[in-house]
Amino acid sequence: KAGVTQTPRYLIKTRGQQVTLSCSPISGHRSVSWYQQTPGQGLQFLFEYFSETQRNKGNFPGRFSGRQFSNSRSEMNVSTLELGDSALYLCASSLEGQGNEQYFGPGTRLTVT
Amino acid sequence: AQKITQTQPGMFVQEKEAVTLDCTYDTSDPSYGLFWYKQPSSGEMIFLIYQGSYDQQNATEGRYSLNFQKARKSANLVISASQLGDSAMYFCAMRLYSVNSGGYQKVTFGTGTKLQVIP
Repeated sequence: KAGVTQTPRYLIKTRGQQVTLSCSPISGHRSVSWYQQTPGQGLQFLFEYFSETQRNKGNFPGRFSGRQFSNSRSEMNVSTLELGDSALYLCASSLEGQGNEQYFGPGTRLTVT
Repeated sequence: AQKITQTQPGMFVQEKEAVTLDCTYDTSDPSYGLFWYKQPSSGEMIFLIYQGSYDQQNATEGRYSLNFQKARKSANLVISASQLGDSAMYFCAMRLYSVNSGGYQKVTFGTGTKLQVIP
């Protein structure tokens, strides 16, 4: 079974631009979560989608948004990029039920200049 | 509110020795899951082991075991027979299931412990 895939793997943007990151979960997984990881702040939860609905949300400004499609693929969008948005963005999918452990993709490394 | 605490920013262990990585958690909800993840320098998070709050026995997965002490709210990871490939960041995480709050809650991660295995 294929793992979680994220595209693109690396991205360089300039301040003020917007960016869209994509995540394809493991087949059969309906929950997709997004995280931002930086050396200073660690791993921070952005949001979780389950069956196309946002189920949980972290404490990020409205510039960060996401959505999930009927095939469980998810996208996150960051508008008006700031230097502080430079980070590794990780996507994770999980199967509802016992355990509910998350399986992570390789991440998208975003650099904002 | 849920909280995960990992008090060891970094640890060293001799190859082939066992090592314990500490994790304490704080929640008043009775239903939750505890997880450990490994993140090598490549960046990808790898799921290691899971423990449910109602599980009577400690979880084990190969060389990994979770020392679950519910009364102390601790969920320490024990790695037996350390290998050089075990050098990585290790994260403890928790997810609540709260009926009153709509079901599954977000996963909360600790700050991680950097483990270095010495040959």
